[in-house]
Amino acid sequence: ILNVEQSPQSLHVQEGDSTNFTCSFPSSNFYALHWYRWETAKSPEALFVMTLNGDEKKKGRISATLNTKEGYSYLYIKGSQPEDSATYLCAFISSNTGKLIFGQGTTLQVKP
Amino acid sequence: NAGVTQTPKFQVLKTGQSMTLQCAQDMNHNSMYWYRQDPGMGLRLIYYSASEGTTDKGEVPNGYNVSRLNKREFSLRLESAAPSQTSVYFCASSGPRLGIESPLHFGNGTRLTVT
Repeated sequence: ILNVEQSPQSLHVQEGDSTNFTCSFPSSNFYALHWYRWETAKSPEALFVMTLNGDEKKKGRISATLNTKEGYSYLYIKGSQPEDSATYLCAFISSNTGKLIFGQGTTLQVKP
Repeated sequence: NAGVTQTPKFQVLKTGQSMTLQCAQDMNHNSMYWYRQDPGMGLRLIYYSASEGTTDKGEVPNGYNVSRLNKREFSLRLESAAPSQTSVYFCASSGPRLGIESPLHFGNGTRLTVT
């Protein structure tokens, strides 16, 4: 059974704080890793598709890094804003199965 | 551009009743998926369809059936609903080379309660 773990489960920060969370996945048979952002009452939306060891992706104040050898990815948010409040999901694709396995998510709440 | 459209948004069923969740996408995607979301668990794949005319089981297929009616539409059917199927259901689609080039595009979800 492939396991994708995200930590922390939830996070409360003040507006302006920078924050980061972790996605851990199996280090063997890596194919790709996705990050999604899921706002309350909406559907998940893709943030990043990461495929290569050492990948770094950036979209505005949000960035992500990837280490396939040790099986983790970090998502960073610089200068958090209330509109960043959401659940952030990572999803791992194994080269064996070709299917996405989702982590449980990290729920971020940014207080003004 | 509508993207992925799911209906209904909410549904309450009694144990043993049947229903079909509808999903349609207008992005010309080959692959479509049904997931369920339960508290404390990640999104879990129920069934998927890699292309028109094909369907395959995911992690939690028991109690469900699917139909890939055409390239646009992928429906999920509960033949005899059980309380364990109370969940939020998401339909999704993806373009070619899921993972490498294309992420999932999700519908807005269906909140199903089985009493």
